[in-house]
Formats: sequence, C-alpha cells, structure tokens
Amino acid sequence: DTGVSQDPRHKITKRGQNVTFRCDPISEHNRLYWYRQTLGQGPEFLTYFQNEAQLEKSRLLSDRFSAERPKGSFSTLEIQRTEQGDSAMYLCASSNTGTVDYGYTFGSGTRLTVV
Amino acid sequence: QQQVKQSPQSLIVQKGGISIINCAYENTAFDYFPWYQQFPGKGPALLIAIRPDVSEKKEGRFTISFNKSAKQFSLHIMDSQPGDSATYFCAASYYNQGGKLIFGQGTELSVKP
Repeated sequence: DTGVSQDPRHKITKRGQNVTFRCDPISEHNRLYWYRQTLGQGPEFLTYFQNEAQLEKSRLLSDRFSAERPKGSFSTLEIQRTEQGDSAMYLCASSNTGTVDYGYTFGSGTRLTVV
Repeated sequence: QQQVKQSPQSLIVQKGGISIINCAYENTAFDYFPWYQQFPGKGPALLIAIRPDVSEKKEGRFTISFNKSAKQFSLHIMDSQPGDSATYFCAASYYNQGGKLIFGQGTELSVKP
C-alpha cells in the first residue's frame, strides 16, 4: 500500500467555479478525515467518515462544501462557488480503529488557489 | 476547552544535539497524542504517537514523554540532523469519539550543520 493518495496535487480556479478533490485512503483504514491548512497554521478539522457514514462536520464546513464516501473507500470533497478565502491546502487522512496505534496518516494534500 | 498549546514556536539546534518540543493540553478526555513532521508543500507525516496509559514511547531517534498528571507531552529528537529541519506539530484527539485531531501551533525546527 502506498499510503493516502490525493488528487489533484494543485488546483487553480477562478472565483465562483466549483472544484472537486479526491482522496484514496489506506485500504484497510475504516476512518477517513478531511482537514484544511492555511499557511503557517496547523490543520483544521472539516469532517470525517467511518466507513461510508459521515459522522461529524465542523462549523468550518459551510453549505458550499460537501463530502462523500459512497462505498466506504475513496472520498470526494466538493467546494461550490469558490471564494478567495477557500485558498488553502486540503488534506485527507485515514486511520484504523482496529490497531493499537491507529496509524493516523495524512496524504500530501491538494493545494487550492482561487483567483 | 479543546486547546493544545505548543512551544517553542521556533527552535535552532546544532547537528548532533537534542531537540525538545513541548505541548500542553487541557481536556483530560483526550486519548491519543500523535506528533507530525511537515516539510513545505507536503502533508504532515506521522512520526510517533502515544496513548495516555503509557508514559514514554521511543521509535528510533524520536521519543515521546507523556505526563498525564501535568497534562503535558513532549517530543525529543536525539542526534538531530539537518534533514530533520521541518515544522513539527503535536496533536490530541478523542479518538474513541471520532478521532478529530486538535493541533498545536507548530514548531519550526532548524538543525545547523
């Protein structure tokens, strides 16, 4: 397994456009998380799934944001009507509740720039 | 209170020295404490993690010391190398209630040759 994979690595979009990011977690991990990180800050939690169920959403996740994990494997994060304030690194992580150390692993992220 | 406080904000260490980064938390319900290393433009990489029933954990040059009564934990990097120069984040989580990580503010480590 090659770890958590995110696509695309970089995305430049015009304000008002919709964007979608994909995350492929480590295959045996049952939890999948989305975070957002701005320059010089630690990641901030957006939402998480256990298998296909979305169990928690942050107040940072406005109505323009939606996340899915349709078959409990990969996940997508969509941002509608992007704003300049959405520019950030979007990180996906996965973990395994069945192991002692959980293996809470992040992907390399998708860098979004809204112009 | 969900805050995790990390110090120092930046740290300069000579090659071969010991780097020490400290974190303090307030909520005793946290049950998982990982440390991450992040290089510019990359995602955070899991270095080492500890659960509150253990006071110390060592993996290679990295050691977590955990003081449950003081609600503090620290990362020690032994024999620091220039390649260790990166930003380090501590985090805490109520893993059994979902696993959302609360991150510290980060420490920018520079190891001088």
